[in-house]
Amino acid sequence: AQRVTQPEKLLSVFKGAPVELKCNYSYSGSPELFWYVQYSRQRLQLLLRHISRESIKGFTADLNKGETSFHLKKPFAQEEDSAMYYCALMWGGTSYGKLTFGQGTILTVHP
Amino acid sequence: EAEVAQSPRYKITEKSQAVAFWCDPISGHATLYWYRQILGQGPELLVQFQDESVVDDSQLPKDRFSAERLKGVDSTLKIQPAELGDSAMYLCASRSRSSKNIQYFGAGTRLSVL
Repeated sequence: AQRVTQPEKLLSVFKGAPVELKCNYSYSGSPELFWYVQYSRQRLQLLLRHISRESIKGFTADLNKGETSFHLKKPFAQEEDSAMYYCALMWGGTSYGKLTFGQGTILTVHP
Repeated sequence: EAEVAQSPRYKITEKSQAVAFWCDPISGHATLYWYRQILGQGPELLVQFQDESVVDDSQLPKDRFSAERLKGVDSTLKIQPAELGDSAMYLCASRSRSSKNIQYFGAGTRLSVL
């Protein structure tokens, strides 16, 4: 069965420091991975997906199939990055794809 | 920008009562999902629709939960009877056939069962 693990429930850094939110997955098929973010009082929204290989708001994430990881990184954290971050795995094929989420990491960036 | 609409935002009910949640997906989105999110955990899929058909309800507790999407547009999730353990956030999401597997989420309905 597919599983997503985010080992850190809470992560605190100071503004300007690098940040890395860890995500590991287990899935027997070809994975498609996402990071979703939920800012205070806002709805869950997509941050980035591994297929697009984009940098969004300074965040990047690389899929490492050997380590089954999809860690989210940003070299210089900003206070506005404080939010809940969820790593998610899509499975079930393109037509009927569904998401399995990790338990989330609360990121707090201190001034 | 189009958004997924959900109502009500909050619902308080007593144990053994019936509750219903409504979701209106982004126009044209064929796939609709209902998730349950217990405090401190990530969302968990309850049911998935493709147009008006259920394609996955394997995680839906069918003895008390039901979901429908009669015309393939908006959807209703019902719980009858509600139990204390049903207290959670219920999220609806939708996806279009061309949205590159991106799901768009509603703001959710926060259910408290007393």
